[in-house]
Amino acid sequence: NAGVTQTPKFQVLKTGQSMTLQCAQDMNHEYMSWYRQDPGMGLRLIHYSVGAGITDQGEVPNGYNVSRSTTEDFPLRLLSAAPSQTSVYFCASSPWGGAQDTEAFFGQGTRLTVV
Amino acid sequence: RKEVEQDPGPFNVPEGATVAFNCTYSNSASQSFFWYRQDCRKEPKLLMSVYSSGNEDGRFTAQLNRASQYISLLIRDSKLSDSATYLCAVERGRRNNDMRFGAGTRLTVKP
Repeated sequence: NAGVTQTPKFQVLKTGQSMTLQCAQDMNHEYMSWYRQDPGMGLRLIHYSVGAGITDQGEVPNGYNVSRSTTEDFPLRLLSAAPSQTSVYFCASSPWGGAQDTEAFFGQGTRLTVV
Repeated sequence: RKEVEQDPGPFNVPEGATVAFNCTYSNSASQSFFWYRQDCRKEPKLLMSVYSSGNEDGRFTAQLNRASQYISLLIRDSKLSDSATYLCAVERGRRNNDMRFGAGTRLTVKP
């Protein structure tokens, strides 16, 4: 049971480069989201999606794009990498519906360094 | 001010101690509340949901105070294996799964 799979696990980018962080889940969850985690800041929501074709911005969306063409995949695109985007990125999925126990399942994270 | 605030820690406690973490949230429309555990360089994993009536899972007790807008986590009889960072999470609104996290509280349990 794979759950949420993120690739790559590590990445070094040069300032100005673009790249896509991949996220796939096999639990048929409607809801998917991207967070970044920085020391002292906790997890901050970048973008989220409540289903295929629907995305919305979170707390810190600038510099990132997302799309949701299928239920399974939710890639995060960095348009022009900046050192401030050095972080650990987590993708999460959960069933949508507002139930009390809407547990979010996280991928293993992508450690991104922008130099 | 962050929407979800936690005790910054770190908490260093001996085995067997009881330790409590608090978390406050500012969005009064928040509907669901959780505690997640995160081990070093790992992804967060759900520890327990927090219900209005309070709930207990073994040595862990979670409570919610909607009037004061805070949630708490109590760990009794701490074990070395409890050493981790504990994140509180708050789901804004209803049926939107927009979840916000606190910065986390680091706990180290020592022999």
